[in-house]
Amino acid sequence: NAGVTQTPKFQVLKTGQSMTLQCAQDMNHNSMYWYRQDPGMGLRLIYYSASEGTTDKGEVPNGYNVSRLNKREFSLRLESAAPSQTSVYFCASSEGQSSNEKLFFGSGTQLSVL
Amino acid sequence: GNSVTQMEGPVTLSEEAFLTINCTYTATGYPSLFWYVQYPGEGLQLLLKATKADDKGSNKGFEATYRKETTSFHLEKGSVQVSDSAVYFCAAFPMDSNYQLIWGAGTKLIIKP
Repeated sequence: NAGVTQTPKFQVLKTGQSMTLQCAQDMNHNSMYWYRQDPGMGLRLIYYSASEGTTDKGEVPNGYNVSRLNKREFSLRLESAAPSQTSVYFCASSEGQSSNEKLFFGSGTQLSVL
Repeated sequence: GNSVTQMEGPVTLSEEAFLTINCTYTATGYPSLFWYVQYPGEGLQLLLKATKADDKGSNKGFEATYRKETTSFHLEKGSVQVSDSAVYFCAAFPMDSNYQLIWGAGTKLIIKP
């Protein structure tokens, strides 16, 4: 049972480069989330998807786009990376349509933008 | 606005010591409260939760009680082990939330043998 799988685990980008972080869950969950984790701060929600075909902005959406490709997959794209986007990114999923229930997290992507 | 405040870390204890990690919240109404744990190199895992006042969540020897009068949800364990070394996050889901958990900054716990 893989749970939530994120790729890649590590990435180094130059300012202005683009990349897509991939996330897939095999638990048939309805909701999926992208968070970033910065030192000394709690997790901050970037985007979420409460169901297949829908996406909504979270707390810090600027500079990011997302795609809910199907029920399993939810990708996060940085179109033009900036040093301020250096962070650890986590994908998560939940069975229902709310984070007021158990979230299942991937192991994270450590991104450095130089 | 809504917020969650945790004690700053790192917290360093010896094995078998008593653990308390403080968490207080400011939120609309009576939020659901959570503790998540992040072991080195892994994603976060739900440790325990409580949904109403005086509820006690418990798991793996950890406990936390929802205290409405002090707006707190402190995490406790009677005897910690080296394997408990991790980062612990407190979170709240306010009643007026739009899918968004409010997270504390996390507290790193280091247990020495």
